[in-house]
Amino acid sequence: DGGITQSPKYLFRKEGQNVTLSCEQNLNHDAMYWYRQDPGQGLRLIYYSQIVNDFQKGDIAEGYSVSREKKESFPLTVTSAQKNPTAFYLCATQGLSTDTQYFGPGTRLTVL
Amino acid sequence: GENVEQHPSTLSVQEGDSAVIKCTYSDSASNYFPWYKQELGKGPQLIIDIRSNVGEKKDQRIAVTLNKTAKHFSLHITETQPEDSAVYFCAAEPQTGANNLFFGTGTRLTVIP
Repeated sequence: DGGITQSPKYLFRKEGQNVTLSCEQNLNHDAMYWYRQDPGQGLRLIYYSQIVNDFQKGDIAEGYSVSREKKESFPLTVTSAQKNPTAFYLCATQGLSTDTQYFGPGTRLTVL
Repeated sequence: GENVEQHPSTLSVQEGDSAVIKCTYSDSASNYFPWYKQELGKGPQLIIDIRSNVGEKKDQRIAVTLNKTAKHFSLHITETQPEDSAVYFCAAEPQTGANNLFFGTGTRLTVIP
């Protein structure tokens, strides 16, 4: 984890509500990623950002939105348009000169 | 896009035995292959990685092998210990410039004391 914080650790949401997951890093990494993890499945990419004020859709971006106003922060909003949002959400970062992605501790979102 | 398949989905071994997890990938342009270990309720941790210009890499009890021709790579853990019990993920990164990883579906390894 070291240097990447995700909050909250657990989040409960009622249907129809938007919620925002926080991801902060002090590694000075340029790239940041959001993944979704469901039981028995691999990690699937939601959004990624390689520089401030720019981001790209991943494989499952529908129902999610992001912003990258600061290098250190890459919040993810799960909107009411996401039909099945209950999952474990992981944020990752990557430096410019490396292929390695480092993961945060994750946020478990449950829709009630 | 890249497709990564991982086998087996579950693996149980006796403490001290070896464990092998295998992955195949579809995109011959992929050139970076990391392995992650994920403990319950935590984020994945990188344990070893290999690049396409190398056939094998070792780090103490862990090794990874890569066969570019067959497009498969494997994780080998020797002298397994109970603390090796976790879910292991392989991944592949195509050489597209976007640095996006494509993950396998994971292997739950249980080391029986």
